[in-house]
This record gives sequence, structure tokens and C-alpha cells, in this order.
Amino acid sequence: NAGVMQNPRHLVRRRGQEARLRCSPMKGHSHVYWYRQLPEEGLKFMVYLQKENIIDESGMPKERFSAEFPKEGPSILRIQQVVRGDSAAYFCASSPGFDQPQHFGDGTRLSIL
Amino acid sequence: ELKVEQNPLFLSMQEGKNYTIYCNYSTTSDRLYWYRQDPGKSLESLFVLLSNGAVKQEGRLMASLDTKARLSTLHITAAVHDLSATYFCAVDHASGTYKYIFGTGTRLKVLA
Repeated sequence: NAGVMQNPRHLVRRRGQEARLRCSPMKGHSHVYWYRQLPEEGLKFMVYLQKENIIDESGMPKERFSAEFPKEGPSILRIQQVVRGDSAAYFCASSPGFDQPQHFGDGTRLSIL
Repeated sequence: ELKVEQNPLFLSMQEGKNYTIYCNYSTTSDRLYWYRQDPGKSLESLFVLLSNGAVKQEGRLMASLDTKARLSTLHITAAVHDLSATYFCAVDHASGTYKYIFGTGTRLKVLA
């Protein structure tokens, strides 16, 4: 069984560019979560989505960040006009139900030049 | 605001020794998770503790949960070099919800 798939694994952007991070949940999982990990820190919740719906985006910065989980295709975390402070590892997790254990992908390491 | 604190933050130990990592959390939650993370890698699920008094063991690692004390421990027995990694605990934001709150991690280094 394929696990949670994230791509790219590494992404380099210059300040002001856009970053798009993709996450395909495990088969049978319709709940997706995004977390951010800054160096030397634990993961911090960003957003929780189900198909075509954002359920909770309380951990998302109010500007430049957006997320979607369309009916078809992967979940996308989009960061517009990136700044150096956006450099981090972004992890996606999925679960079959909101109260089921979450399975994590390998993450996308975003570096901003 | 729910807080999850781990200690120690850094741990250097000799092979063969025993040690315990502590995870305290500040609000009611019935579920606690332990993960291992190697540098540059994802999170590997170690234990899911679902009730007060739960104890689980896998190899040299044993985890327990005391929901009344809001405390979980990860005990390492006879450490080996391969256990070197960062260990995180995480708690559901509130019982039965989806938002995991992670501790700051314990970076373990086992010296040969």
C-alpha cells in the first residue's frame, strides 16, 4: 500500500516567487492535514481539509498561504510571494476519519534564497 | 492554549544505559502519540496510547500514559546507537479531534 505521497521532496524558490506543494493521501483516506516544521522545532498544525472543503485553517498565516483539496487530484498547499521565513519542512498527513490516527508523508523541504 | 512539553530536549547517553523521556501536556486529552524522526526524514509512528494506564512496548522502547497526571513517558532500555534520533510526542488538541499538538522533541544521541 502506498503511503502518503508528497512532492517535490525539495523545493528551492527565490523571494517573491510562488511555491506549490502537493500531497496525495493514502488510498481510502479523505482527510488531509498540513503541518509546518521549522528547524529544531516540533510540527505545527496549519490546516485540515476534506474533499473540496477547508474544515479548519486556524494554523495558516492569514496572508500568502492557501490550501485546497479538490474532488480529483492531490491536496495543494500554495505559498505566494515567498519570504525567507517560509523556509521549513512542510508535512502532509492523512486519515480515514477525523478521529483516526494520522499517517505522515516524507515532507517537502522548502528553501528560500 | 494547549501546550506540550518534553524533557529533556537533548539527551546523550552511552550504549547499554536506560533512560526516560517525559512528555507533559496542559489540557485534557485521552490520546497521545510518540514519533521518531531521523534527520531529513519523515515521522515514524512508534506508539498510539489511547487510554489512561496504557502501556506499549516495542523492542527497547516502552511508552506509558497517565491521563490524570497529563504525563507520558518513553523509556529506553539498554540503548543502542540505532536509537539515535529525535523523538516527538503529540496530543490531540481535544478528545476526539484532529489537531495534533506536538512537543518540541527530544534529540537523542547514543554513544557507542
